[in-house]
Amino acid sequence: QSALTQPASVSGSPGQSITISCTGTSSDVGNYNLVSWYQHHPGKGPKLMIYDVTKRPSGVSNRFSGSKSGNMASLTISALQAEDEADYYCCSYAGASTFVFGGGTKVTVL
Amino acid sequence: QVQLQESGPGLVKPSETLSLTCTVSGGSIRNYYWNWIRQPPGKGLEWIGYIYHTGSTNYNPSLKSRVTISLDTSKKQFSLKLSSVTAADTAVYYCGSFSHDDSAYRPLWYFDFWGRGTLVTVSS
Repeated sequence: QSALTQPASVSGSPGQSITISCTGTSSDVGNYNLVSWYQHHPGKGPKLMIYDVTKRPSGVSNRFSGSKSGNMASLTISALQAEDEADYYCCSYAGASTFVFGGGTKVTVL
Repeated sequence: QVQLQESGPGLVKPSETLSLTCTVSGGSIRNYYWNWIRQPPGKGLEWIGYIYHTGSTNYNPSLKSRVTISLDTSKKQFSLKLSSVTAADTAVYYCGSFSHDDSAYRPLWYFDFWGRGTLVTVSS
């Protein structure tokens, strides 16, 4: 079980769109439509932003969207805002009732 | 709305056992899988394992030989024990939960509630 691969950092200006990739394998991301994304501000618990690849929990802005192609999932944040600056982690079901997370991506709003 | 709060020693000596507790409030122990997840300094998240209200457990294969998760339903608490710790076990430890969908007869494989985390340092 290896960690999912995310870019260390992504940045964008307010109003722009950014996309964070999350690359796994055919044993996790590629095999299940069970990818979730979490926003993490320092000192707080992570917050669920996307689940089951594309679904948004109630209360999460529709500026956040998810997708998947093959072994790679993506999180897109449109109309970037200062409050979106945080770390973002992807997570995938990996079979046998286990999970694997990504290494995290720091989003900076310029 | 489920709320989770981690507690336990912030410093553990090498080779000893790390012990943490997570207290659940605002929800039922049933219908949730109760997890431990950690984040070493400067690194990503790592899932450690879970316990269901039935007592059923499942652990990350890389940690399985050293991990025990237990549940005290009367106190609405679940606990983590990690034995034979080394400096590599230094991390912020989070408790988290995912739900069971009774109508679909399956778990929902995403973490909907998290604690704020607690830093555990392994050092002599």
